[in-house]
Order: sequence, then structure tokens, then C-alpha cells
Amino acid sequence: DSGVTQTPKHLITATGQRVTLRCSPRSGDLSVYWYQQSLDQGLQFLIQYYNGEERAKGNILERFSAQQFPDLHSELNLSSLELGDSALYFCASSARGGGNTEAFFGQGTRLTVV
Amino acid sequence: GIQVEQSPPDLILQEGANSTLRCNFSDSVNNLQWFHQNPWGQLINLFYIPSGTKQNGRLSATTVATERYSLLYISSSQTTDSGVYFCAVDRGYGETSGSRLTFGEGTQLTVNP
Repeated sequence: DSGVTQTPKHLITATGQRVTLRCSPRSGDLSVYWYQQSLDQGLQFLIQYYNGEERAKGNILERFSAQQFPDLHSELNLSSLELGDSALYFCASSARGGGNTEAFFGQGTRLTVV
Repeated sequence: GIQVEQSPPDLILQEGANSTLRCNFSDSVNNLQWFHQNPWGQLINLFYIPSGTKQNGRLSATTVATERYSLLYISSSQTTDSGVYFCAVDRGYGETSGSRLTFGEGTQLTVNP
């Protein structure tokens, strides 16, 4: 158990809908990251938050947004869902905001868009 | 951006065999991690090893940062070692510039009984 908790584990929804994925980081970790794993793109970085503020941004679609709350949990919102958004979405956390810090991953949320 | 290449892409072993997985990266890094993705999709941390050598049971890893590669050794493999092994790196420009792991495409390991 990495200590990073993601909910839900599985999600099935229809095209055009909006969903929210939730992540609780390891105790004491200030950074939260979101990654997407799809068959054609592999594992890709989406966005990082550090202590409530956006710290780094990857190839995150405009239809996707994230935030980190004062209690440090994070949510990833996916809207106007398309079939191609079906993927495994991981949350990770680390103690610090820079690159020289080990990241720990949650079990992932498997999103299926039908 | 930084490129990460893993080899071999696929590896099939008999239980008890040893193996070496390789990760090459295109630029200097301050973070390198090895992960095992099990058949249920979970990403399990194996090593945080931006440089040097570490060992954990039957697994060990070596990163030669100056030559931009890392090796993961699996000895006396077991069927439970099956899954995908990922190498991920971060260039990292400092605490305030953020962090992002760039993953290789992985090595699919199958260990047969």
C-alpha cells in the first residue's frame, strides 16, 4: 500500500458527461500529481499541485481541470468526455515540489467512456 | 523533452532465471524511479535511484548518471514478478519549477512456472 488513496476505482460513463476523480496523498506529502495511462499514449503527466497551487503542467486537455484543497486532497475533473478519454488515471504524491523527490502512486481510477 | 528508452520491450523467462532490464535517457536527471505495474494495474515503487546502486531482496538497480542509463536486475525470478516494468525520469530544475516524471514504454515481463 503506497498510502495514496484514489476513488473511485472504476467509473463507467457516457460520452459528453462530466466526472470527478478524487485523490488523498500520503500523510505529510505536499505535492499531488495526475497521470493518464492509455494504450496509445502510455503513461503521461497531466498536472502537479504543490501545497494548493499549480506547480507544473503537462499535456492536459482544456476539458480537464484539477485543484488541490487546503486539506491537500486533490480532484481531477473531466468534462465533455469522449471515447478517447477512456484510460487509467493515476494520482501520485511526494513530499516536496521539486524533481529530486520520490513519487508514490495510487491504485488508479479506471475510466471507461461508452 | 527528455526521451526514455527501455529494452527489451518483451521478456519471457522460466521461473528461477535472472534478467537485466535497461533504461536509457537523453538528458541529465535528478530523479529516476523504477516501477512494477502488476496485472491489476497498480504501480509499485521498486527503486528511487538517480545515481548509484541499491538492492532490495532479489532486485537491484544501478544508475550511471554520467552515461545516462539505469539497469534493473531481477534474480531467481518468480511468477509473481510478471508484469510491466517502467523506468521514469525527471530533469528537475529546482524546487519551484515543479516535477514531472517522463516514463519509458516499459518492459513486459512474463515468468512461466
